[in-house]
Amino acid sequence: RKEVEQDPGPFNVPEGATVAFNCTYSNSASQSFFWYRQDCRKEPKLLMSVYSSGNEDGRFTAQLNRASQYISLLIRDSKLSDSATYLCVVNINNAGNMLTFGGGTRLMVKP
Amino acid sequence: NAGVTQTPKFQVLKTGQSMTLQCAQDMNHEYMSWYRQDPGMGLRLIHYSVGAGITDQGEVPNGYNVSRSTTEDFPLRLLSAAPSQTSVYFCASSYAQAQETQYFGPGTRLLVL
Repeated sequence: RKEVEQDPGPFNVPEGATVAFNCTYSNSASQSFFWYRQDCRKEPKLLMSVYSSGNEDGRFTAQLNRASQYISLLIRDSKLSDSATYLCVVNINNAGNMLTFGGGTRLMVKP
Repeated sequence: NAGVTQTPKFQVLKTGQSMTLQCAQDMNHEYMSWYRQDPGMGLRLIHYSVGAGITDQGEVPNGYNVSRSTTEDFPLRLLSAAPSQTSVYFCASSYAQAQETQYFGPGTRLLVL
């Protein structure tokens, strides 16, 4: 089993739709969680950190479920510019020195 | 600030050749790391450094060496290139630890024939 797993997609949605991605992680001791965004042939960039209480940034909402060991990303009112690959990232190493990336979920927003 | 820079952007090697991928950052970050990204595999950690003079292995270190003589630079050396090392390589840095915001370089696309 991979340490961080994501549905690779692609998720094809129309503009304005709401879409949600889930990511599961295997190490129950993981402490830090993130969503990164990666555009085609570009480097990953931090989208948002995921906090235990859940957090929101504009149209984006991230949630953490420690009991079930998954994190989620909800995108409301999808824009064409949201088309990208979304990477789930978990700090697996308890020393805090290593991040583990999921394989990414590809989102395509259509007009 | 230039952020994280990587050179070269593209490279073609023959099996058995060696080369160094350069990475530099001008943000005075202590933590630097190297990842490789392959289709369907996500980014996998090769080596990382928590400060000048300190390096450690990540998930897939075999075939790669690193050194950290300065805070700014973190080169990745391929000792004897193999086709399995064909990949996109990203360097990243953060202020102190891995769980802080990682700033990635633009990547180096490597093809080993």
